[in-house]
Amino acid sequence: DAGITQSPRYKITETGRQVTLMCHQTWSHSYMFWYRQDLGHGLRLIYYSAAADITDKGEVPDGYVVSRSKTENFPLTLESATRSQTSVYFCASIGGGGIAEAFFGQGTRLTVV
Amino acid sequence: GDSVTQMEGPVTLSEEAFLTINCTYTATGYPSLFWYVQYPGEGLQLLLKATKADDKGSNKGFEATYRKETTSFHLEKGSVQVSDSAVYFCALGPGGSYIPTFGRGTSLIVHP
Repeated sequence: DAGITQSPRYKITETGRQVTLMCHQTWSHSYMFWYRQDLGHGLRLIYYSAAADITDKGEVPDGYVVSRSKTENFPLTLESATRSQTSVYFCASIGGGGIAEAFFGQGTRLTVV
Repeated sequence: GDSVTQMEGPVTLSEEAFLTINCTYTATGYPSLFWYVQYPGEGLQLLLKATKADDKGSNKGFEATYRKETTSFHLEKGSVQVSDSAVYFCALGPGGSYIPTFGRGTSLIVHP
């Protein structure tokens, strides 16, 4: 199916564990983003990528790692999960070349216990 | 830097009431403006957009006009439905860095 998909949709993990959230888009969009959404904070940018092998920090990158070896995939890894990383995580993409609309995945609800 | 300010919610309305959600922005240049909607349990999706001054975006009965003189992009709907209950985000851009700027979101609750 065309679109942007995230997996898993729900995840419970323990403090200190490593967890990876997956994001896959089928359009070959150049730009991809990871956000977290928390009550009272709106959307906060964690990391973004302008192309394969090009990534950069956003507003709240600490405790997170990203990679982008292929254009269509942009996984987000929490190296050692903490309770403060309990949140809903959204992946998004933008096509570039004048296509300014952002397309969002369905989100991953992560709970760190 | 670029920023978006939108009214805090929740906005609570009865069905068929008139809706306005205010949005103002600060930006260099002439950004495109967007409204996104997030239904419960889902990601954001584009509701409407405007790419230049005086443009009006519209979709599903919602409208917003790009007002450069007041740097505003207020969202309106003449008669809301229960199914419009959602969180609405005003957004700029993206600019040269291709990072869009989002407002904090406004929750809309429509009662029957």
